[in-house]
Amino acid sequence: DTAVSQTPKYLVTQMGNDKSIKCEQNLGHDTMYWYKQDSKKFLKIMFSYNNKELIINETVPNRFSPKSPDKAHLNLHINSLELGDSAVYFCASSQDTRSEQYFGPGTRLTVT
Amino acid sequence: GIQVEQSPPDLILQEGANSTLRCNFSDSVNNLQWFHQNPWGQLINLFYIPSGTKQNGRLSATTVATERYSLLYISSSQTTDSGVYFCAVSNTGKLIFGQGTTLQVKP
Repeated sequence: DTAVSQTPKYLVTQMGNDKSIKCEQNLGHDTMYWYKQDSKKFLKIMFSYNNKELIINETVPNRFSPKSPDKAHLNLHINSLELGDSAVYFCASSQDTRSEQYFGPGTRLTVT
Repeated sequence: GIQVEQSPPDLILQEGANSTLRCNFSDSVNNLQWFHQNPWGQLINLFYIPSGTKQNGRLSATTVATERYSLLYISSSQTTDSGVYFCAVSNTGKLIFGQGTTLQVKP
């Protein structure tokens, strides 16, 4: 009965490749997010969707493109991967933009 | 944007000791959350506490919104409490995280 799930858990790939990370929530929430945690453990928001609409887009390179096919899913596609993209990516969801956010287990991306 | 500062950055405790972690923030917020990131990397929700006081077992938290700070109390610490504790705040929907407090509890 996992609330927020992500796949894959680990992703190792080479520079220049394109990869996707999938996120699903079964909490019935309207808002979903992507956060990035760097090697120094600093967590920063990347994107937020509310009812499938993009509402927050931080200064993230165009190589990152989120897609929300429905309210329960928010996927992250990354083109032309770079070494600096190596990080842990967390998906989160909340009922609305003021409510408590719940995080998935994270996807550790390593670009070689 | 909102600035979030946590203190102390690192903390080493003997099992059974108590501790207080602090989170200062620079603007009014409508969301404040405390998380524990365990050694396996999971972010575990501890408290959703934009104001007031809450308790959950050995943990409790207090947020004084008018003075822009929050405190997390850990009593009778256990080795399983080790990890990084994050405070995160928001007034726009995007959580702004502090840099974390790394706690090590020794047996």
